[in-house]
Amino acid sequence: GEQVEQRPPHLSVREGDSAFITCTYTDPNSYYFFWYKQEPGASLQLLMKVFSSTEINEGQGFTVLLNKKDKQLSLNLTAAHPGDSAAYFCAVSARTNTGKLTFGDGTVLTVKP
Amino acid sequence: NSKVIQTPRYLVKGQGQKAKMRCIPEKGHPVVFWYQQNKNNEFKFLINFQNQEVLQQIDMTEKRFSAECPSNSPCSLEIQSSEAGDSALYLCASSLSTVNNQAPLFGEGTRLSVL
Repeated sequence: GEQVEQRPPHLSVREGDSAFITCTYTDPNSYYFFWYKQEPGASLQLLMKVFSSTEINEGQGFTVLLNKKDKQLSLNLTAAHPGDSAAYFCAVSARTNTGKLTFGDGTVLTVKP
Repeated sequence: NSKVIQTPRYLVKGQGQKAKMRCIPEKGHPVVFWYQQNKNNEFKFLINFQNQEVLQQIDMTEKRFSAECPSNSPCSLEIQSSEAGDSALYLCASSLSTVNNQAPLFGEGTRLSVL
């Protein structure tokens, strides 16, 4: 089945620096890609969804890149601030399954003032 | 602000006891998922439903859990005999369809501690 490797597991940056997280997936049928943010004690908050037909998506303070050739999905938080400190998870889903998501193991990001 | 409501937020059980948690999906969402997130942040898909029907479940769920999504009632997930390794955050999510062009919406979870 699908496997998703997320790196790094922990990341510490200074305020204003960028933070880069990558996920490598194995299933070539993966079609839907998601980034979620989870603050301590809170639910998973969707940051962005990316479909196979798109490559670069920009959100508020971050950019998501999908590289289908290398089966990689990345999240780049530009100019991180302390409020970005949280766990970040990628998740992938194939086009032809029951909607089940396969998650990466997460990156715990700490942004220091 | 989550519109998927999970109860209780915290659950403490002894080994061998039953542990039941509930989920009210977002209104109009017929697809419901249960995931287990362990202390290492690893997610495990447990089961999903479309309306009242099970779409997919893993072996562990079939053997040790009881789950249902009755119409007009909350969905539920119950561990029949809790083990220490079941201590985790149980997340419920709902979605408009199994086609993930709409991202599943997650609840805040039920944190189970098995003593």
